[in-house]
Amino acid sequence: DGGITQSPKYLFRKEGQNVTLSCEQNLNHDAMYWYRQDPGQGLRLIYYSQIVNDFQKGDIAEGYSVSREKKESFPLTVTSAQKNPTAFYLCASKGTGYEAFFGQGTRLTVV
Amino acid sequence: SQQGEEDPQALSIQEGENATMNCSYKTSINNLQWYRQNSGRGLVHLILIRSNEREKHSGRLRVTLDTSKKSSSLLITASRAADTASYFCATDPYTGGFKTIFGAGTRLFVKA
Repeated sequence: DGGITQSPKYLFRKEGQNVTLSCEQNLNHDAMYWYRQDPGQGLRLIYYSQIVNDFQKGDIAEGYSVSREKKESFPLTVTSAQKNPTAFYLCASKGTGYEAFFGQGTRLTVV
Repeated sequence: SQQGEEDPQALSIQEGENATMNCSYKTSINNLQWYRQNSGRGLVHLILIRSNEREKHSGRLRVTLDTSKKSSSLLITASRAADTASYFCATDPYTGGFKTIFGAGTRLFVKA
């Protein structure tokens, strides 16, 4: 099945710890995105990548880092510099059209 | 900053009634899209309307776009309990289609 897979579904982070969220797609899409969603809120863009080995900051990139070494993969690292990381994280991809395809999300909680 | 702003923030209706949600945006766009999100899940694409279109239909969905007012509306006719979800508008700026911007969403609750 073609799609976009995020893992893990739930993730717990201790204070001062870096954690990495996985996002993999087999849709052969060039563009990939990371969004953050807080309870009852919309989506805020963290980082996006239009092509392998290239990525740009979104509106709330501070405290996050990404890499795009392969077309299929766009992992997001939440660093200790992100002071309020508890949120729902969504990864998406786009091909030649405008429709974005989303994964099922990772819920990150600081413990 | 958010490009799209949905109105109302929340909407509660009875099954069988129509639901209307509105979206306003700030900059020139190539197109506007509507997405649906069930609680705790990812977003699913519903419909896209291009900047040169005024109205579009898909099943029970009707979308309108008024570029002079920078606004769009999504109408769901004959709503069902299964339509309960959050609905988001999203815009692709005229300068490029990669940085899709989402609004804050309308939470729709359809009572059976």
